[in-house]
Amino acid sequence: DQQVKQNSPSLSVQEGRISILNCDYTNSMFDYFLWYKKYPAEGPTFLISISSIKDKNEDGRFTVFLNKSAKHLSLHIVPSQPGDSAVYFCATGGATNKLIFGTGTLLAVQP
Amino acid sequence: NAGVTQTPKFQVLKTGQSMTLQCAQDMNHEYMSWYRQDPGMGLRLIHYSVGAGITDQGEVPNGYNVSRSTTEDFPLRLLSAAPSQTSVYFCASSYSPGQPQHFGDGTRLSIL
Repeated sequence: DQQVKQNSPSLSVQEGRISILNCDYTNSMFDYFLWYKKYPAEGPTFLISISSIKDKNEDGRFTVFLNKSAKHLSLHIVPSQPGDSAVYFCATGGATNKLIFGTGTLLAVQP
Repeated sequence: NAGVTQTPKFQVLKTGQSMTLQCAQDMNHEYMSWYRQDPGMGLRLIHYSVGAGITDQGEVPNGYNVSRSTTEDFPLRLLSAAPSQTSVYFCASSYSPGQPQHFGDGTRLSIL
């Protein structure tokens, strides 16, 4: 049973436009969410996080939105750049740091 | 600034062989963990450690063994390799629980 779901395996966006990656979770007790970015043959790298006391967190071109009632979070990348092309994983973990990952979304930013 | 170092990067084993995947970090992080990534499955937690001498099981621990004798090292042992353990293995560390984890570049393991 998948506790963290990324229903879009892939997404293609034009350079300069907005990329929106989505993630749904099942357990309302989850209180900390992260996005990781992964290039081929490399490990995931931390991108941005949000705790359940917030509904939005921004870091430059990256913004994460959290909708607790819908158990949904999204990552917005504006403007998208070709170097953003990678697999994006959402993950949740609490104080124990035992991360639960989604299955990932492959983002392709077309020049 | 090495971060998290995993060795080897690639390995092919025969069914029944044993092997140790190495993981070392130079950031003085207390928390370390091992994940495996399979197609369509995301990353799944195998074992983790909150400090030297303390380890615990994650979501998929069967067939794997760990120990943590130093803060820096967290090896993962396959006792008797099976084809189902063909995967990419990632080691990660963080200063403490609740902090984002830093990942190594992975070990790609194939078991024939």
